[in-house]
Amino acid sequence: AQSVTQPDIHITVSEGASLELRCNYSYGATPYLFWYVQSPGQGLQLLLKYFSGDTLVQGIKGFEAEFKRSQSSFNLRKPSVHWSDAAEYFCAVGADSGNTPLVFGKGTRLSVIA
Amino acid sequence: DTGVSQDPRHKITKRGQNVTFRCDPISEHNRLYWYRQTLGQGPEFLTYFQNEAQLEKSRLLSDRFSAERPKGSFSTLEIQRTEQGDSAMYLCASSPSGFGTDTQYFGPGTRLTVL
Repeated sequence: AQSVTQPDIHITVSEGASLELRCNYSYGATPYLFWYVQSPGQGLQLLLKYFSGDTLVQGIKGFEAEFKRSQSSFNLRKPSVHWSDAAEYFCAVGADSGNTPLVFGKGTRLSVIA
Repeated sequence: DTGVSQDPRHKITKRGQNVTFRCDPISEHNRLYWYRQTLGQGPEFLTYFQNEAQLEKSRLLSDRFSAERPKGSFSTLEIQRTEQGDSAMYLCASSPSGFGTDTQYFGPGTRLTVL
């Protein structure tokens, strides 16, 4: 069975600073990996996904993530954080594709300070 | 494409009452999923449908929970004899098809509070 670990419950960064959110997954086969963002009162919005091919994937809002099979990681990065990026971020893994139930991590809450 | 919608957005009920939530997926999306999210946790899978067929139910889904998607369009999730532990955000998602590398699109959720 799949599992996802997001080691950081809460991260605070200064506006304009770089960001890296960690995600480690456990799955025996090739994983399908996702990062979603959830703002207060909002549903989950997909930031980016990895299915195969280039291990560095670009997403919306200037985010990118790198799949590292050897480390079972899929960390999310952004070079310069904006105050509007403050939200909850969830990493998720799917067994076969985006069309099977996803297993989510517990999330990392991002706070942005001036 | 108006996105996934859920109704109601908030529900407060007393313990022991029955509640029903509705999810309208993106038009022509064949797959529909229900997840539950409690405070400080990520979403947890409950059940999902391919058209009107219920493909899988999580062990989290007790006998008090039932979900339907009668015509392969909208879906309902009913909780009978609610308990305080049922208080959570119930999320619905849909995806275009059962094949390939599709993405699940989430609705805004229904927040349930059981008093």
